[in-house]
Amino acid sequence: AQKITQTQPGMFVQEKEAVTLDCTYDTSDPSYGLFWYKQPSSGEMIFLIYQGSYDQQNATEGRYSLNFQKARKSANLVISASQLGDSAMYFCATYLGNTPLVFGKGTRLSVIA
Amino acid sequence: KAGVTQTPRYLIKTRGQQVTLSCSPISGHRSVSWYQQTPGQGLQFLFEYFSETQRNKGNFPGRFSGRQFSNSRSEMNVSTLELGDSALYLCASSPGGSSVDTQYFGPGTRLTVL
Repeated sequence: AQKITQTQPGMFVQEKEAVTLDCTYDTSDPSYGLFWYKQPSSGEMIFLIYQGSYDQQNATEGRYSLNFQKARKSANLVISASQLGDSAMYFCATYLGNTPLVFGKGTRLSVIA
Repeated sequence: KAGVTQTPRYLIKTRGQQVTLSCSPISGHRSVSWYQQTPGQGLQFLFEYFSETQRNKGNFPGRFSGRQFSNSRSEMNVSTLELGDSALYLCASSPGGSSVDTQYFGPGTRLTVL
């Protein structure tokens, strides 16, 4: 079964700096998808970015980019130019075929002015 | 396009009662999934419905059930509530036709069991 590991329970970053949130996964299937979601204190899970296992290039969405290293089974989220509104929980998740999303434990990011 | 909506947003119940939560997916989405989020267990998958049929089920007791209607709206029901059922219940919708569909989440229903 697939497994997601986020080793950083909490992270601090200065406003306007870049930050990397770590995610490793464990799956034996060659076809899978990787997702990052943001969860502010309000509770809603906001989709940020997606990377497919066969995608040749790293995914980017505005200030979010995914550092995908397939051989190391890692899919780290990079947030550039952090803003105060980026303070939230961040979850990495994987979706394998018709199985449901499996989430990591999350990383709480705090952006400091 | 309107996002995923969930009602009610907050609920307070007592042990032994039952509760029904509702989820309206994004227009055109045929798959609806439900998740339970607690501080101790994190996000756990409950079940997924696609075209009115349960396609996947998580490891939860039979007190947790759900259904999907022909308009893709979904409800989940929890009977004989226990204190441990206090959680944020999140609903997510996706088009449902592809194995790597992105799931879009609603704001959640926060259930408190007293």
